[in-house]
Amino acid sequence: DAGVTQSPTHLIKTRGQHVTLRCSPISGHKSVSWYQQVLGQGPQFIFQYYEKEERGRGNFPDRFSARQFPNYSSELNVNALLLGDSALYLCASSLTAGTANQPQHFGDGTRLSIL
Amino acid sequence: DQQVKQNSPSLSVQEGRISILNCDYTNSMFDYFLWYKKYPAEGPTFLISISSIKDKNEDGRFTVFLNKSAKHLSLHIVPSQPGDSAVYFCAATFGSARQLTFGSGTQLTVLP
Repeated sequence: DAGVTQSPTHLIKTRGQHVTLRCSPISGHKSVSWYQQVLGQGPQFIFQYYEKEERGRGNFPDRFSARQFPNYSSELNVNALLLGDSALYLCASSLTAGTANQPQHFGDGTRLSIL
Repeated sequence: DQQVKQNSPSLSVQEGRISILNCDYTNSMFDYFLWYKKYPAEGPTFLISISSIKDKNEDGRFTVFLNKSAKHLSLHIVPSQPGDSAVYFCAATFGSARQLTFGSGTQLTVLP
């Protein structure tokens, strides 16, 4: 069975540009979450979506937005890119949202570099 | 403010011995705790979890212990194998969104 797939794997952008990252969850999973991991730190929560609705938002500026599609795939959009947005962006999926004993399963991430 | 802390950035252990990774948390609302393992160029892989109503959970070579009064959890790997060499993250959740709050990770190196 395919795991969580993310595209692209690597991306280089310049300051001020915008970027769209994509995620396909494990088949049957209806919840998708996004995390940002900067070097030397653990992943930090950005958004969670379940059944196309936002269920949670982390402490990120409004330049970050996301959506979930009817097939449960998701996009993360970041506008007006800053140097500090350089990070590994991880997508995770789970069967549902809000159930403790359903661990989130992660994709391999998109490495975003801002020049 | 870091609600989940892993104070040891790195740990080296001899093959066959026990590896003990530690994690502390400050938010008493957390009611579910997880450990993830991460290899370079891969996403985190779920290892083991524990609910706050338990104090121990085992899965093969991996055991997680939770001390709620001390707000401390630990992951024991016995016996350690070279393939266990990776970065280990502890994470905690609570509430309806169940977002994961991660520690900063511990690099485990198991020496042959």
